[in-house]
Amino acid sequence: GAVVSQHPSRVICKSGTSVKIECRSLDFQATTMFWYRQFPKKSLMLMATSNEGSKATYEQGVEKDKFLINHASLTLSTLTVTSAHPEDSSFYICSAPPGMSTEAFFGQGTRLTVV
Amino acid sequence: GENVEQHPSTLSVQEGDSAVIKCTYSDSASNYFPWYKQELGKRPQLIIDIRSNVGEKKDQRIAVTLNKTAKHFSLHITETQPEDSAVYFCAASTGTALIFGKGTTLSVSS
Repeated sequence: GAVVSQHPSRVICKSGTSVKIECRSLDFQATTMFWYRQFPKKSLMLMATSNEGSKATYEQGVEKDKFLINHASLTLSTLTVTSAHPEDSSFYICSAPPGMSTEAFFGQGTRLTVV
Repeated sequence: GENVEQHPSTLSVQEGDSAVIKCTYSDSASNYFPWYKQELGKRPQLIIDIRSNVGEKKDQRIAVTLNKTAKHFSLHITETQPEDSAVYFCAASTGTALIFGKGTTLSVSS
């Protein structure tokens, strides 16, 4: 099946710094990528939709200036958490959409800890 | 937008018993309904999915049923084993983003 590669898998950063998370589609072209956030013992919450060649669309309540999304090519989408604070500590994961006969493919996820 | 409700939030069964997890969705345009098992800190693992043109799908001990009229779908696990203990999520999609239920923690005791 298709592979979505997400990096880094874990990152620890200091408050006030920015962190970039990359999501690559390795064997297919992804015009759309979805970004989710998951707090401990909670569900995956859709944050935003990344669209190649156009601006990302954000879900209600998600700060677009804090969570910068860029879809620079058909194989790369990035999420940058700017001016990170401890409350941004979470599990972030990307996903390509399901196809007519294929499942949605997820990256490995990134555990962000802001200290 | 889509809203997915999942019940129960926790489920404890004895080994060998059946387990049923139920989800409802709000968007009648949703046409794809996957179920995931997730280990802590890992990506969700697809265990079974169903599309809106099918009412039931089975894969060994796991089955999913879909009632489009009532807008609900269910996961059935028969002959449960301790290794089935995990967090399970349902999701619904119109072909774009998956919207997830809140999850069910299944505990199977031997």
